[in-house]
Amino acid sequence: AQKITQTQPGMFVQEKEAVTLDCTYDTSDPSYGLFWYKQPSSGEMIFLIYQGSYDQQNATEGRYSLNFQKARKSANLVISASQLGDSAMYFCAMRESGGSYIPTFGRGTSLIVHP
Amino acid sequence: KAGVTQTPRYLIKTRGQQVTLSCSPISGHRSVSWYQQTPGQGLQFLFEYFSETQRNKGNFPGRFSGRQFSNSRSEMNVSTLELGDSALYLCASSLETGGGIAAFFGQGTRLTVV
Repeated sequence: AQKITQTQPGMFVQEKEAVTLDCTYDTSDPSYGLFWYKQPSSGEMIFLIYQGSYDQQNATEGRYSLNFQKARKSANLVISASQLGDSAMYFCAMRESGGSYIPTFGRGTSLIVHP
Repeated sequence: KAGVTQTPRYLIKTRGQQVTLSCSPISGHRSVSWYQQTPGQGLQFLFEYFSETQRNKGNFPGRFSGRQFSNSRSEMNVSTLELGDSALYLCASSLETGGGIAAFFGQGTRLTVV
């Protein structure tokens, strides 16, 4: 079974608009971490934001924020004021504290920002 | 601070050959993880080394192996290459085992097997 599900293969957004990339996860581990990475065409995976399962507040990093809804097991990434350089693949990942402690990645969402 | 460096960036090999990929982590990072990324399977974990010891291993055949040196640099070896091994191989380094809060990735080695 998929542990991380990203249902949007592709998204389009107008420059300066906000966009939400969806991520749902499946785990029975009470302690886990959720990550978002950006992968531009160059190939490098760039860490964006982290949310721990026990964190009371949603994580924010500059223009990135994570809309964490624990009961719904969703961890959506919100990018505010989109820029052309935001065009890339975006991956959601989860690491469970029990077991192997190795992150599992979703299949990714391709974001294209239009001028 | 230098980032994660992977060499070579591109590689073309023939079926049956072997290949060695290199990863130099961020200075001070002791954990190095390797991932295979393909359009069909997405990003899959290969293995992780921490302080020269393999800590975790993904579900890949024994043709895939790795090691880590005392300076934390890591190498990944694939023997008897198959066409399906064509992929982007990504290396990630972190301070803690399992990636910690954040793992920092290199730009990857794109391997093409012909």
